Amino acid sequence: GENVEQHPSTLSVQEGDSAVIKCTYSDSASNYFPWYKQELGKRPQLIIDIRSNVGEKKDQRIAVTLNKTAKHFSLHITETQPEDSAVYFCASRDSNYQLIWGAGTKLIIKP
Amino acid sequence: GAVVSQHPSWVICKSGTSVKIECRSLDFQATTMFWYRQFPKQSLMLMATSNEGSKATYEQGVEKDKFLINHASLTLSTLTVTSAHPEDSSFYICSARDGVAGEQYFGPGTRLTVT
Repeated sequence: GENVEQHPSTLSVQEGDSAVIKCTYSDSASNYFPWYKQELGKRPQLIIDIRSNVGEKKDQRIAVTLNKTAKHFSLHITETQPEDSAVYFCASRDSNYQLIWGAGTKLIIKP
Repeated sequence: GAVVSQHPSWVICKSGTSVKIECRSLDFQATTMFWYRQFPKQSLMLMATSNEGSKATYEQGVEKDKFLINHASLTLSTLTVTSAHPEDSSFYICSARDGVAGEQYFGPGTRLTVT
């Protein structure tokens, strides 16, 4: 079945710098890749997603890139702000339409 | 975006009792709902997938007789933790999918503490 790996597990960046989180997947049939942000004690919130027919998608300071050949996708956050501090999860939707989750990345924005 | 509610938001119960958690899709019909459990500092762990009108599909290692799931309507799924024990204390989150290939929307979660 599908397997999703996410790196790094913790990422600390200076406020204003960029942050990049990477995920790999194993099922070449997967075609939908969402990213979720989860603040402590709250529900995961969808922040951006990308489908397999697109290589890149951008929404203000957030962008996601997808490399289908290499089976990896990445989340890019530019001009980081303190409110970006949270845990970020990538996911891949497999051929059964189930979301397979990465282990999460704790992003820390240092003032 | 679509709204999913979950009730209660937190509950404390004594060991051996049962607790029911409700998950509702408020502005869309969800043929499929998912129940997750999340321990501190860990990722979401899928417990089961429920389809309206049919039995839930449980993930390996999840006891279906302990975690009873009912999905009687297109907008409501319930999770009942039976004979709860302290090790069942966790953050339980439901999500509902809008259509077969639609997005998944999460409820706010229920913090269960078993004393």
